[in-house]
Amino acid sequence: DQQVKQNSPSLSVQEGRISILNCDYTNSMFDYFLWYKKYPAEGPTFLISISSIKDKNEDGRFTVFLNKSAKHLSLHIVPSQPGDSAVYFCAAIFTDSNYQLIWGAGTKLIIKP
Amino acid sequence: GAGVSQSPSNKVTEKGKDVELRCDPISGHTALYWYRQSLGQGLEFLIYFQGNSAPDKSGLPSDRFSAERTGGSVSTLTIQRTQQEDSAVYLCASSLQVEQFFGPGTRLTVL
Repeated sequence: DQQVKQNSPSLSVQEGRISILNCDYTNSMFDYFLWYKKYPAEGPTFLISISSIKDKNEDGRFTVFLNKSAKHLSLHIVPSQPGDSAVYFCAAIFTDSNYQLIWGAGTKLIIKP
Repeated sequence: GAGVSQSPSNKVTEKGKDVELRCDPISGHTALYWYRQSLGQGLEFLIYFQGNSAPDKSGLPSDRFSAERTGGSVSTLTIQRTQQEDSAVYLCASSLQVEQFFGPGTRLTVL
């Protein structure tokens, strides 16, 4: 039973346009969400996070939106750049637990020049 | 550097042999995680160490897999009698709170 789902295995976006990566979760106890980015042959690196008390968090070109009623979050990248081509993982946690992240399967983002 | 390091970066072994993978976490991080990523798949949780507590081994796929964390720092993941389906990238991460910091991974190939 996947508690965190990224239903799009891949996404192709034109350079300069907006990339929107989606993530759905089933456990309403999750109260903190993170996005990680992974390049080939490297470990994932933290990108941006959001607490469940917020519905938006912005950091430069990256914005994460959280819709608690729909149990859905999305990562917006604008404008998309070639260096954004990577696999993006969504992760969720119930911070009163043992700090174990529950991971989505990842979405491969390809930015076309 | 002060990041998470893993060794070796690549390991090729023959089916049936044992392998040991090492992880050096960020100094002071109390939590350490092992994951693996098979080709085209997401992150698969294997095991989690938190301080002096008993590790959470719920993700280990079989009893051929084991891990230790000595002195609350370095960790070793051991795979006995390797099988071809064990081929994957094995990732280690450490954390102090929520955010996990990953090493570069060890790519294991079982022939």
